[in-house]
Amino acid sequence: DAGVIQSPRHEVTEMGQEVTLRCKPISGHNSLFWYRQTMMRGLELLIYFNNNVPIDDSGMPEDRFSAKMPNASFSTLKIQPSEPRDSAVYFCASRHGTSGVYEQYFGPGTRLTVT
Amino acid sequence: GEDVEQSLFLSVREGDSSVINCTYTDSSSTYLYWYKQEPGAGLQLLTYIFSNMDMKQDQRLTVLLNKKDKHLSLRIADTQTGDSAIYFCAESSPSNTGKLIFGQGTTLQVKP
Repeated sequence: DAGVIQSPRHEVTEMGQEVTLRCKPISGHNSLFWYRQTMMRGLELLIYFNNNVPIDDSGMPEDRFSAKMPNASFSTLKIQPSEPRDSAVYFCASRHGTSGVYEQYFGPGTRLTVT
Repeated sequence: GEDVEQSLFLSVREGDSSVINCTYTDSSSTYLYWYKQEPGAGLQLLTYIFSNMDMKQDQRLTVLLNKKDKHLSLRIADTQTGDSAIYFCAESSPSNTGKLIFGQGTTLQVKP
C-alpha cells in the first residue's frame, strides 16, 4: 500500500485566497483525522471522521475551516478565506477500527504558507 | 479532562541512554503510545503499551508505565544520531472513538 497520500505537499498562497488540502487514506481504514502542526501550538487535532461521518470538529479553529469526506477514499480540508496565521503543516492520518491498539498512519503532510 | 504533558527538549551524546518522560491525566486510557517524527515527515508509531502492563521492551526501546502517578517514559539505549527526532506521547481517548490525545512532543538532539 502507498500509505496515506496528501496533496499538495507544499502550498503557498496569498491572504484571502481559498485553499483546499486533499487526503487519500489507506484502503480499508475507516477513521480519518486532520491535524495541524505549528511551532507555537504543537500538534492539534482539527476534526476526525469515522465511516465518513464527522465525529468531532471541536478542534476546527473557526468557520473559515471546513472538512468533508464524500467517500471512504477521499477527504478535503478547505480554508476560505486563508490568513497568515493559518500557515502550518497539515497532516492527515487514517486508522482501521475505533478500538484496540490500531495504529494511526500519518501522511507526509502539506506545508501551507499564507503570505 | 484529557491532557498529556512532555518536556520540550532533550540533548544527549551518541551512545548514551535517552529517557523521555510524559504525564497524562486520564486513568481510563487503555493504550499509551510513543510516536516518532523525523524532520519533514509525518508521525510514525514507535511502540505502545497496554495499560495493565508496567514495562515493555522492544530492542533498544524500553517503555515504563506508572499508572499510580500517570507517568510514562521511553528509554532509548545506545542512542544514535539517527534517533534525533521529535517524540510524541499519546493516550487513547476514553470515548473509544479511535481518537488519540497527543503531548506537545519532545525534541531529542543526539550529539556525535
